[in-house]
Amino acid sequence: SQTIHQWPATLVQPVGSPLSLECTVEGTSNPNLYWYRQAAGRGLQLLFYSVGIGQISSEVPQNLSASRPQDRQFILSSKKLLLSDSGFYLCAWTGQANTEAFFGQGTRLTVV
Amino acid sequence: GESVGLHLPTLSVQEGDNSIINCAYSNSASDYFIWYKQESGKGPQFIIDIRSNMDKRQGQRVTVLLNKTVKHLSLQIAATQPGDSAVYFCAENQEGNYGNNRLAFGKGNQVVVIP
Repeated sequence: SQTIHQWPATLVQPVGSPLSLECTVEGTSNPNLYWYRQAAGRGLQLLFYSVGIGQISSEVPQNLSASRPQDRQFILSSKKLLLSDSGFYLCAWTGQANTEAFFGQGTRLTVV
Repeated sequence: GESVGLHLPTLSVQEGDNSIINCAYSNSASDYFIWYKQESGKGPQFIIDIRSNMDKRQGQRVTVLLNKTVKHLSLQIAATQPGDSAVYFCAENQEGNYGNNRLAFGKGNQVVVIP
């Protein structure tokens, strides 16, 4: 069976510090991978999605970047965090065909 | 498409009543739609999906209706229970930059069940 792991679950970081959130998928190959951000009481904002290794599409200009060094690994990064980067970050995967998305449990990031 | 700048609209429902949650999607070429339920502090969970060759699909206590003419999707929850309190998102499969499909979410609806 397929599983998706996302960590850490919570993170408190000072302004200006770097960020690295990792997401891995098991039990499938060549997934589409997604990073979403959700502010409190808001909807899901798509940040990045990837259809393969090294193929990253950025949906909104921001202080963040994403990388996909391996087929089932998706990393969200920042060199210097801003207060506005606080939020709930969700990683998800879908199959190549039209399928549902499976989400990780999310990372609650608080920038202080 | 995605809309994240506004507070989520809230639907208050009496326990036992039916709930109807609506969603307007943006891309007439989208051919696959999904409803998700998100409880506080958790990732969204799949509820039900529907493909564009269908108008209606039923699951356990839930029904999804698709009106392609007006690009409208709805989720009906029968006999709403306290455990149904959550945020509900619709999602559509859109063509992305690489020609592959990507999932785009609607703004979400907060459902509050009143005991």
